Amino acid sequence: LAKTTQPISMDSYEGQEVNITCSHNNIATNDYITWYQQFPSQGPRFIIQGYKTKVTNEVASLFIPADRKSSTLSLPRVSLSDTAVYYCLVGDRGGGFKTIFGAGTRLFVKA
Amino acid sequence: DTEVTQTPKHLVMGMTNKKSLKCEQHMGHRAMYWYKQKAKKPPELMFVYSYEKLSINESVPSRFSPECPNSSLLNLHLHALQPEDSALYLCASSPEGAPGANVLTFGAGSRLTVL
Repeated sequence: LAKTTQPISMDSYEGQEVNITCSHNNIATNDYITWYQQFPSQGPRFIIQGYKTKVTNEVASLFIPADRKSSTLSLPRVSLSDTAVYYCLVGDRGGGFKTIFGAGTRLFVKA
Repeated sequence: DTEVTQTPKHLVMGMTNKKSLKCEQHMGHRAMYWYKQKAKKPPELMFVYSYEKLSINESVPSRFSPECPNSSLLNLHLHALQPEDSALYLCASSPEGAPGANVLTFGAGSRLTVL
């Protein structure tokens, strides 16, 4: 069971790059790392998923070191609308109940 | 269609009522999930239907009863709930029943208040 640890909250300013790190020391060989964004009173929304090294899409990058014991979500040039809770999720193709959302990181973007 | 639709958006019920939450997706996903989320907490997985086969989180009380009429529809039947069951109930779907490896698409949730 891969337990994840994230900072409880982070502050940033508009236009800055934000990096949120998730620790998952007991990640298994077959586990993937997925990040979700959640706004108040909405369901989480998929941001990015990776297995190793670096993954980039149109909204974010995900950096995963060789030992895979942590991962970093990078949000380039954040705006006020990026204020949300960000969850790191670690799990494999096995049973769903082994995949647990971490406590999440509350990101506040200020003008 | 890339959405998961949940109804109702808000529900208020008494402890003796019977009500249902509904969820629908038309993405051809073969797995559907019910999550419960309390305020300022992460979502907690309650039930998984994968290819219409049910898996249950053993910690979920029997007053919650899921139903999957077909691969596109998911219901959560509620009976004799307690005030502590008040929460946001989220439905999600994925191509297959492995939320760790598959991308989950969530609905907007049903906000339940138990009086």
